[in-house]
Amino acid sequence: EVKLLESGGGLVQPGGSLRLSCAASGFSFSNYAMSWVRQAPGKGLEWVSFSTGRGDNTYHADSVKGRFTISRDNSKNTLFLQMNSLRAEDTAVYYCAKFRGYCADGACYYFDYWGQGTLVTVSS
Amino acid sequence: QSVLTQPPSVSGAPGQRVTISCTGSSANIGAGYDVHWYQQLPGTAPKLLIYGNSNRPSGVPDRFSASKSGTSASLAITGLQAEDEADYYCQTYDSSLSGYVFGTGTKVTVL
Repeated sequence: EVKLLESGGGLVQPGGSLRLSCAASGFSFSNYAMSWVRQAPGKGLEWVSFSTGRGDNTYHADSVKGRFTISRDNSKNTLFLQMNSLRAEDTAVYYCAKFRGYCADGACYYFDYWGQGTLVTVSS
Repeated sequence: QSVLTQPPSVSGAPGQRVTISCTGSSANIGAGYDVHWYQQLPGTAPKLLIYGNSNRPSGVPDRFSASKSGTSASLAITGLQAEDEADYYCQTYDSSLSGYVFGTGTKVTVL
């Protein structure tokens, strides 16, 4: 059974930093791309970041580019999201999601399993 | 501001059929990128409902079906049940943004 368990959320002041973790189990972690998706309170879903299985290629949404960094430790089956220079608009539930696709260029990828999410609140 | 537009809400009586549209552009759905759908029950994480325009993962009832045409896609729920009350999101890839995008979301209410 695939399980994804996020941790590391909490209250942080504007301009501060936070590191989220996602512990994965039930599948061969290093063989799959992974992603972070967030959802602001009462709002829709927003893709944030993506990492290939080996972690050698990463991509970030424009809204977080230069501030957030996705990484992974395949020896520990763990995905990370380092969030710096946090803003009020980054307040959201952050979901870790297993990413799956059937094409070479990544454009067909979808999120087949999701964690339960961790809440990040940016406020003074 | 999402590049995929969905109706904010749809409703139907138990047993009825409802459809949810997802309208994009030539940079995403119209470019031929596949559309995927997710169901988010109240207070829970999203769950994959449809992938690759019309494919159901194991365990998803065949009451859920989807299609794509031109710059739009749609999700249909037939034989609506109380447990289908949730938010539904479409998702695809956008070449102008070089990233993955979600629809604005649709709340389904069972009357």
